Amino acid sequence: GENVEQHPSTLSVQEGDSAVIKCTYSDSASNYFPWYKQELGKGPQLIIDIRSNVGEKKDQRIAVTLNKTAKHFSLHITETQPEDSAVYFCAVSPRAGNMLTFGGGTRLMVKP
Amino acid sequence: GAVVSQHPSRVICKSGTSVKIECRSLDFQATTMFWYRQFPKQSLMLMATSNEGSKATYEQGVEKDKFLINHASLTLSTLTVTSAHPEDSSFYICSARVRDRAHEQYFGPGTRLTVT
Repeated sequence: GENVEQHPSTLSVQEGDSAVIKCTYSDSASNYFPWYKQELGKGPQLIIDIRSNVGEKKDQRIAVTLNKTAKHFSLHITETQPEDSAVYFCAVSPRAGNMLTFGGGTRLMVKP
Repeated sequence: GAVVSQHPSRVICKSGTSVKIECRSLDFQATTMFWYRQFPKQSLMLMATSNEGSKATYEQGVEKDKFLINHASLTLSTLTVTSAHPEDSSFYICSARVRDRAHEQYFGPGTRLTVT
């Protein structure tokens, strides 16, 4: 089955700095790569996603890059703010409508 | 759009009793819903996939007789934890796949189950 590894497990940055979280996956057939933000005691919230026919996608301060050859994708958050503090999960789906396999999560702390 | 609700948000029950958790897609139809379990400071573990009008598909190691799933309509799926024990205490989260938009899944806010 699919194996997704996420690094780092914790990340502490100063407000205004950038944060980068990276995930690697094992199944080359995977074609959908979402990122979720989970705040304490809440369900995950989809923040950005990318499909395998695209190399990069940006939405304001958030961007995701995908390298299909190397089987890794990354979340980039620029100009971090304290409210960005949360746990971020990457996920991978092998094909349309199939289940998601999650990475282990990254606890991001943005210090004011 | 794409809002998923769960009820209850928190439940405390005694060992041996059963608990039902509801998952609803509020503004879209969901042909498929997923149930996850999450332990503190850990990732989400898929328990089962629920398709409207058919039996759920359970992941390896998940007891189907203990975690009963019913997906009776395009907007409602329920998870019943039968004969709950303290080790069933966890955060249960559902997600719904948007009909005709194959990839996208939206998550509910989760249900914190504590079995005493």
